[in-house]
Amino acid sequence: DAMVIQNPRYQVTQFGKPVTLSCSQTLNHNVMYWYQQKSSQAPKLLFHYYDKDFNNEADTPDNFQSRRPNTSFCFLDIRSPGLGDAAMYLCATSRGARQPQHFGDGTRLSIL
Amino acid sequence: GENVEQHPSTLSVQEGDSAVIKCTYSDSASNYFPWYKQELGKGPQLIIDIRSNVGEKKDQRIAVTLNKTAKHFSLHITETQPEDSAVYFCAASNGSNDYKLSFGAGTTVTVRA
Repeated sequence: DAMVIQNPRYQVTQFGKPVTLSCSQTLNHNVMYWYQQKSSQAPKLLFHYYDKDFNNEADTPDNFQSRRPNTSFCFLDIRSPGLGDAAMYLCATSRGARQPQHFGDGTRLSIL
Repeated sequence: GENVEQHPSTLSVQEGDSAVIKCTYSDSASNYFPWYKQELGKGPQLIIDIRSNVGEKKDQRIAVTLNKTAKHFSLHITETQPEDSAVYFCAASNGSNDYKLSFGAGTTVTVRA
């Protein structure tokens, strides 16, 4: 089945220690998104790629960066995680603008 | 920017009854409205969506209605089953950002057996 796969499902890192989360897709969609979801809240868009074109949301902290080396893969890098960055990180894909977004099952990040 | 309000925040229904969740949006340029179901420990799953050129859409036990004039849309689940228990999010496309969805705060639905 075509899908969005996130690894790992659970990630623990230390305060200030860089961490990378990964996402892959077999849907061959042009757009990939990263969302942050905190407990009992809606997902919050961090950034998206249309192909290699990177688009950052205005309120996304500088601490968060992303890479998309090819159509299938996208990475979220958190340079110096703080306690406030503990959350579920969701990857999603879509064919284009205003098209259905398909989500992975997320990576739950804990900060010690 | 777009502001989406969702009600109620929690909903408990008896198995077999209907559940209705309502959302309002502020941006008249919004034209795409998806609904997501999120189970514990999983990502949101698209269950139905509607575009502004349509007033109603149905898929088996799930239906969505859209009133563009009043800027509100609703999710209707009929003949609820225990597996319908989850958090449901409505969302609206953003008039100034073609790729951004503005989400409602979510409704926790519990179906009592």
